[in-house]
Amino acid sequence: GAVVSQHPSRVICKSGTSVKIECRSLDFQATTMFWYRQFPKKSLMLMATSNEGSKATYEQGVEKDKFLINHASLTLSTLTVTSAHPEDSSFYICSAKGQLGAHTEAFFGQGTRLTVV
Amino acid sequence: AQKITQTQPGMFVQEKEAVTLDCTYDTSDQSYGLFWYKQPSSGEMIFLIYQGSYDEQNATEGRYSLNFQKARKSANLVISASQLGDSAMYFCAMREMGGSYIPTFGRGTSLIVHP
Repeated sequence: GAVVSQHPSRVICKSGTSVKIECRSLDFQATTMFWYRQFPKKSLMLMATSNEGSKATYEQGVEKDKFLINHASLTLSTLTVTSAHPEDSSFYICSAKGQLGAHTEAFFGQGTRLTVV
Repeated sequence: AQKITQTQPGMFVQEKEAVTLDCTYDTSDQSYGLFWYKQPSSGEMIFLIYQGSYDEQNATEGRYSLNFQKARKSANLVISASQLGDSAMYFCAMREMGGSYIPTFGRGTSLIVHP
C-alpha cells in the first residue's frame, strides 16, 4: 500500500514559537492532502484540505493565519502552527489521497504529538 | 447531523473470541465508500478494510470482515479470533463520491482484548 510519512512524531515547543510539521507521500503523488487534529479520546477533526499548487481550504472555525498550510509539491505538504500556545497542544495527523486498487483511499501519516509549554 | 455513528464508546472481548463493532451511516448519495481504521496508542491510523456501496459481497481482509447492510445503512466491523494486539481505538469512516472525497469519521470505539 501507499506510504505517508509524517515528521516529527513528537515535538515540545515553548509558547510563542512556531512549529512545522511535514507530511510526505513516499511512493505516490498526492495532489490532495488533509490535515486533522485529534483531541484525547476523540475523533479526527478535519482542519483543512491542502491542494498542490493552490491555497488550502480551511474548515469553519480553523484559523488560517494560525495554522499555515503549504503544499508546494506533489509529495509534500507542511502545517506550521504559528505562535503556538498551550491550547494548541494536540495530536495532528495528515492523510494523502491515493489509489488503492480500483478505488481512492486516504493514507495516513503516523501523526505528530505537539506539546506547547 | 452526524453522518457516522458509532454507539459503542468501549468494548471488551476475551482473547480468541470474535467481536463486532457497530457503525451506522447517513447519506443520500448512491455512491459512497465505507472504511474502518485502527488507531493504537501510538496514534497512527491503520487502514483495515474498505466496502464500496455497489459491492455486493461483504469485504473481508484476514481476520477482519465488514458486515454491510445497505438497507439498514450499517457497516459493522467483525474481528474474528481477537488478539491482545487488537486493543486499540477503531474508527468507522465514510466518503461520499459525489462530494469532495473527504472522509467523515465516527467518534470511535475503544476495544480492549483481555487474556
